[in-house]
Amino acid sequence: DAGVIQSPRHEVTEMGQEVTLRCKPISGHNSLFWYRQTMMRGLELLIYFNNNVPIDDSGMPEDRFSAKMPNASFSTLKIQPSEPRDSAVYFCASRPAYTEAFFGQGTRLTVV
Amino acid sequence: AQSVTQLGSHVSVSEGALVLLRCNYSSSVPPYLFWYVQYPNQGLQLLLKYTSAATLVKGINGFEAEFKKSETSFHLTKPSAHMSDAAEYFCAVSEGNTPLVFGKGTRLSVIA
Repeated sequence: DAGVIQSPRHEVTEMGQEVTLRCKPISGHNSLFWYRQTMMRGLELLIYFNNNVPIDDSGMPEDRFSAKMPNASFSTLKIQPSEPRDSAVYFCASRPAYTEAFFGQGTRLTVV
Repeated sequence: AQSVTQLGSHVSVSEGALVLLRCNYSSSVPPYLFWYVQYPNQGLQLLLKYTSAATLVKGINGFEAEFKKSETSFHLTKPSAHMSDAAEYFCAVSEGNTPLVFGKGTRLSVIA
């Protein structure tokens, strides 16, 4: 298995632009998570899905952030409009039930 | 709600010396506990996990951790540090199938 695949690996965008981050989880995993990593706040859970259904989005910082999982093999995290404070590394992870999460390589987002 | 405290944001050891990274957790139910390692510009990789079986858990690269319920601890150890162990280490807790909650991380430096 190729593991969790995220794209793009790096994204540089201007303030106000829309940004879409993509994730392909490991086949057969029924949970998917989006985390954000910053120096100040560490690893924060933004949202998670079970069986493609959003369960908890209380970690999404603002209405500018949205996430979808249209099917078991694809998820997106969208920021519209983007702001410089959104600069961070965004990780997608997937997990079978009752065990560890498997992480992608992350997307490093820079908003200028 | 579950939480994790990692004592020491930065630990420095000499090559060949004992590595001890501390993790204390809070959980209202028997927890699942994890240690992950992150190398620069990479995702998180699982080192080891405790999921209610043996309290002494062995992982990859010679690391091990012991679950101590009375102390609510899950400290990570390695008898002899190697230069390649220099990285960021994260402890995480989960209550069954809930999302993993991570500590702030401990950066391990290994001095030649």
